Amino acid sequence: AQSVTQLGSHVSVSEGALVLLRCNYSSSVPPYLFWYVQYPNQGLQLLLKYTSAATLVKGINGFEAEFKKSETSFHLTKPSAHMSDAAEYFCAAGGGFGAGTTVTVRA
Amino acid sequence: DGGITQSPKYLFRKEGQNVTLSCEQNLNHDAMYWYRQDPGQGLRLIYYSQIVNDFQKGDIAEGYSVSREKKESFPLTVTSAQKNPTAFYLCASSSRTGLNTGELFFGEGSRLTVL
Repeated sequence: AQSVTQLGSHVSVSEGALVLLRCNYSSSVPPYLFWYVQYPNQGLQLLLKYTSAATLVKGINGFEAEFKKSETSFHLTKPSAHMSDAAEYFCAAGGGFGAGTTVTVRA
Repeated sequence: DGGITQSPKYLFRKEGQNVTLSCEQNLNHDAMYWYRQDPGQGLRLIYYSQIVNDFQKGDIAEGYSVSREKKESFPLTVTSAQKNPTAFYLCASSSRTGLNTGELFFGEGSRLTVL
């Protein structure tokens, strides 16, 4: 299984500020890449997925991620945080999940 | 509505007892998965099944058992051999059978607490 590393277990941002969540995977071969979001006591739902059609992937709720092969990264961003973005976010690649990053949004 | 249904949502068990978690899907997906979630550890794969009557161990299968007698059902039994069973358990399915090659659809989870 892929090794997936999410840098930062907690991220705190102000409402309206940029959200940046980092994800790196271990293989040099582009795997299947996903970002999921989890709200408390619920299952995960897909935010976006990399399909190799484009390096910049747009997802739901204004999120997007950029695939960078040279950096083996698939970082998730959102230009302007909203209170409803407070949740836990997981990066997944070829069989494995990262440890997750909890996002809190300050009013 | 198509989706995955897990039950029960909350379950309490005494030490030494087996318990079975239910997972049913009506998405007509071939692949089904069981994950365990612990704080700060992400999701860890317990078992997965790509076709009826066949399943494979994941990274942490010890103390767990599964069956896949029907396409839509993939129950997980947490046995008394599982040393630390208190956790949040997530069932998922996918239309693609390669491990984690397709989007996963998750149930709402089952929280098991051992007293």
